[in-house]
Amino acid sequence: GQQLNQSPQSMFIQEGEDVSMNCTSSSIFNTWLWYKQDPGEGPVLLIALYKAGELTSNGRLTAQFGITRKDSFLNISASIPSDVGIYFCAGQRMNRDDKIIFGKGTRLHILP
Amino acid sequence: ETGVTQTPRHLVMGMTNKKSLKCEQHLGHNAMYWYKQSAKKPLELMFVYSLEERVENNSVPSRFSPECPNSSHLFLHLHTLQPEDSALYLCASSQGRENEQFFGPGTRLTVL
Repeated sequence: GQQLNQSPQSMFIQEGEDVSMNCTSSSIFNTWLWYKQDPGEGPVLLIALYKAGELTSNGRLTAQFGITRKDSFLNISASIPSDVGIYFCAGQRMNRDDKIIFGKGTRLHILP
Repeated sequence: ETGVTQTPRHLVMGMTNKKSLKCEQHLGHNAMYWYKQSAKKPLELMFVYSLEERVENNSVPSRFSPECPNSSHLFLHLHTLQPEDSALYLCASSQGRENEQFFGPGTRLTVL
């Protein structure tokens, strides 16, 4: 079945550093979504992207919808301790019967 | 209450027990979902309800039985589960299946 390749699987960074992660697919998507999941909680939607080439920011977070429509990137600038968690990408076609496909997540660790 | 709520947050049950998970969404959405989240695996979509009708069942064993009495409530009835069913069960809702999903905090289920 369809899969999203999300990388890296985990990251260890120093507080204050910038972070980049990405998702790639062999299929074209019309929507890319980025979620964050804190321990013991459900995923929370961070950014939604609907158009190829779109660049959208939410505070220190910036996500881009790749031109090929097969990839997406999430950047976090000047990381802080509360950025710790698992970040999931998700892709969806606009056909109402198409499933949303989730990546396996990128686990972000921040060193003091 | 706002957003998507789930109860209980934690559940421990034996293999012969019968229990139910409850989800309620306060967003006015018309589609609801059950997902299973196991360690190191992508989110697995279990069931989809759209306008209170089950529109998707992804080969889920019959020991999981969903119920959607109205557009705001979703249940997952559990009976004779197996230890490998232990996972975080997440509920989500969306306005139309083609739009982004909002998740509840999940129920952490442990089957002994």
